Amino acid sequence: AQKITQTQPGMFVQEKEAVTLDCTYDTSDQSYGLFWYKQPSSGEMIFLIYQGSYDEQNATEGRYSLNFQKARKSANLVISASQLGDSAMYFCAMRRGYNQGGKLIFGQGTELSVKP
Amino acid sequence: GAVVSQHPSRVICKSGTSVKIECRSLDFQATTMFWYRQFPKQSLMLMATSNEGSKATYEQGVEKDKFLINHASLTLSTLTVTSAHPEDSSFYICSATRLAGAETQYFGPGTRLLVL
Repeated sequence: AQKITQTQPGMFVQEKEAVTLDCTYDTSDQSYGLFWYKQPSSGEMIFLIYQGSYDEQNATEGRYSLNFQKARKSANLVISASQLGDSAMYFCAMRRGYNQGGKLIFGQGTELSVKP
Repeated sequence: GAVVSQHPSRVICKSGTSVKIECRSLDFQATTMFWYRQFPKQSLMLMATSNEGSKATYEQGVEKDKFLINHASLTLSTLTVTSAHPEDSSFYICSATRLAGAETQYFGPGTRLLVL
């Protein structure tokens, strides 16, 4: 069975510092996709970054990078130079298969608080 | 990025009434839309997968007659909570994927339902 685990219910980081949010996954599929979403208090889910299982390079999107370690089945999100607006819930998610339309399985989420 | 809207953003209704929530993809055609439910401080739980022109596929434990889903066009899916009860109070959020080969689910802003 597929599973996503986020072991950090809450994290604190000082403004302008980097922070790593952990995500491990369990799957027997060879092809899958990994996502990170941000959910501010307003509730909307904001797509941050995507990593395909066959992608050799770690994904990066601006201040976000995904530290993909396939053998360890981890897909940690690194946020560089934290900003106050980064305070939110962060969800890691996995989708079976490479193509669009697959179901997403979400982790429990990590609540990030950025301190001024 | 792709834009998905939901309407209404908030709704309060009396117990026993039905509530319809709309999910629209504004700038792309969505073959597949997903409906999620989220309780406070918890992760997203997939309720059903909605494909244009066909019956929705419900996740185990989700009552089909309680949560009616219609995907009438490539840009619109609706979720109707029938005979709502206080325990149906929750945050409902939809997502959509593009017609051709996209990797990402784009989420709507969500609908907060309160049943009195």
